[in-house]
Amino acid sequence: GQQLNQSPQSMFIQEGEDVSMNCTSSSIFNTWLWYKQEPGEGPVLLIALYKAGELTSNGRLTAQFGITRKDSFLNISASIPSDVGIYFCAGPSGTYKYIFGTGTRLKVLA
Amino acid sequence: GAVVSQHPSRVICKSGTSVKIECRSLDFQATTMFWYRQFPKQSLMLMATSNEGSKATYEQGVEKDKFLINHASLTLSTLTVTSAHPEDSSFYICSASKTSVQETQYFGPGTRLLVL
Repeated sequence: GQQLNQSPQSMFIQEGEDVSMNCTSSSIFNTWLWYKQEPGEGPVLLIALYKAGELTSNGRLTAQFGITRKDSFLNISASIPSDVGIYFCAGPSGTYKYIFGTGTRLKVLA
Repeated sequence: GAVVSQHPSRVICKSGTSVKIECRSLDFQATTMFWYRQFPKQSLMLMATSNEGSKATYEQGVEKDKFLINHASLTLSTLTVTSAHPEDSSFYICSASKTSVQETQYFGPGTRLLVL
């Protein structure tokens, strides 16, 4: 079945550093979503991508829809402590459904 | 906006009892709602898709008689965990889509279930 692998699994960075993470799929997607989940909370939508090659920003976050349509990237610039959490990518999996990636855990050291 | 609420946020119950979790879309009508389960340090796993006025569609391996889903209105879906056992302890999260066309999902804050 479909799988979404995220890399890296976890990362510890210093406050102020930039962060890059990616998500790869075993099949082609026409939509990519990026979510952030904080401990004990539901995921919150960060960015939605609908077109191959699309580059979309939301404040310090920038996400790109890969040209191959099998990958997507999320960058966070000038990280701050509140960026801590788990970042999930998601893509369509059948009618109306989404499959979620394995997640990237981010910890920011002040 | 697109706000989804869940109730309760936490529940502890004895083994063998049933637990009902509510998911509400507060400022929009949700044709489709989804129920996920998340174990510690793992990703979200879709359990079932709930459409208003029709039977839920369960993912492979999810027992429909154990996890009863009712989507009685365009703003409310409920998940009932029947005869709960310790292995059912998990974080249950619902999400909702605004229309029947595939669209971004908005998540509730989750419900932590602990079965003793």
